[in-house]
Parts: sequence; structure tokens; C-alpha cells
Amino acid sequence: AIQMTQSPSSLSASVGDRVTLTCRASQDISDDLAWYQQKPGKAPKFLIFAASSLQSGVPARFSGSGSGTDFTLTISSLQPEDFATYYCLQNHDYPLTFGQGTKVEIK
Amino acid sequence: EVQLVESGGGLVKPGGSLRVSCAASGFTFGSYIMNWVRQAPGKGLEWVSSISRTGDYMYYADSVKGRFTISRDNAKNSLSLQMNSLRAEDTGVYYCARDGTFDYWGQGTLVTVSS
Repeated sequence: AIQMTQSPSSLSASVGDRVTLTCRASQDISDDLAWYQQKPGKAPKFLIFAASSLQSGVPARFSGSGSGTDFTLTISSLQPEDFATYYCLQNHDYPLTFGQGTKVEIK
Repeated sequence: EVQLVESGGGLVKPGGSLRVSCAASGFTFGSYIMNWVRQAPGKGLEWVSSISRTGDYMYYADSVKGRFTISRDNAKNSLSLQMNSLRAEDTGVYYCARDGTFDYWGQGTLVTVSS
């Protein structure tokens, strides 16, 4: 199975900061990667597909990049509503696998 | 508007069975791969199972293979997960999600396996 490793596990940042989250695959997954945001008690929200394509309605401060094994999610200017946990998902091959998540907290 | 509504969660004893369902609306259900994802209390997301558009192909996580069965009824816009031989580690919120990109999610249904 393809392992997905996110780093860091958590980070503290301030409103307005630029934040970069990383997701690494244990083997080449091309651009078959998606990102999700989850707030406590809520279902995940779909942000990005195919590594870098922004889902309709998602603010442009979110961007994704990468291919192969290394991927990033960047929030260009962190807003109060962005404090949440972020997960990556590889949908390249079954079994599908999520990263363990990165929790973005208020500094 | 796309809507996914899970139901059927509850408390079940170890070794027991439970069936959770997902009612879909607002899109052409039979045109999409459908998925189940779970989340144990305080833990991350875990993919559980996926089913092809026609129901011909099913995929399972190793942790549930041989115990869980995914199915769909395209005429009723419904997705189901039959869970047998339940274990304490199956406890969590079960979400259904649409498409290979998991673009829409339900609100989840809580399954608790405990004696």
C-alpha cells in the first residue's frame, strides 16, 4: 500500500502568515492527490484535486503543487476560518490512503 | 444541490453486525464512484471502501476486508455498508463521499462497538 506522510503534524501560525503543508508519498502517484480541510465535529471539505486544481468555491489563497512523490498545500495569507486540520489523499491506486493530517493552530 | 445523508449508526457489541446507509440526492447517482471513510474518535481519516458506478467492482481496506461489504442501489440512489464481526477498533464516524476525488461528504453516522 502507498503510504502518505504529512509534515508537520501541527503548526502554530498567525493571521496573515503564509503557511506551507507537505505531503509525501512512498511511491510515485503522478498528480493523483487531493487536499481536504476538516474542522472539529464537521465533515471534511474538498479543497484541491489533481495536486494543483482548486475546487470551485475554494478561496484563491489556497494552492497546491507537486507531482510524483512530493506535494505541498500553501495558504498565502492565513485567515481565522483556516484554522483546522488538513489531510492529503492519494487516489492513484487502491487501497486509497490519507495522510495523518496537519493541524493548523492559532499562535 | 448535492446531498449525502448517512444513517444506521448506533451501539453494537463486539462480534455484532450493523448496516449503515447513505441516501444521495441532487446528482446522477449512477454516474459516480462512491466511497466510505471513517474516523475514530480523535484520530485521522481512514478510507474504508469504494464501489464502481455500476457496482461491479468493490475495493476494501485490509482492516475491513472479509468483514465489510459495500453495495449500491442506483434505482434508489442509495449506498450501503454491511459491517459484520465488528471490533472495538471499528468505532468511529462513518462518512459516505462522492467520486474518486471525494468531492462531497455526508455529515457522518457514529458507530460504537462496545460491550
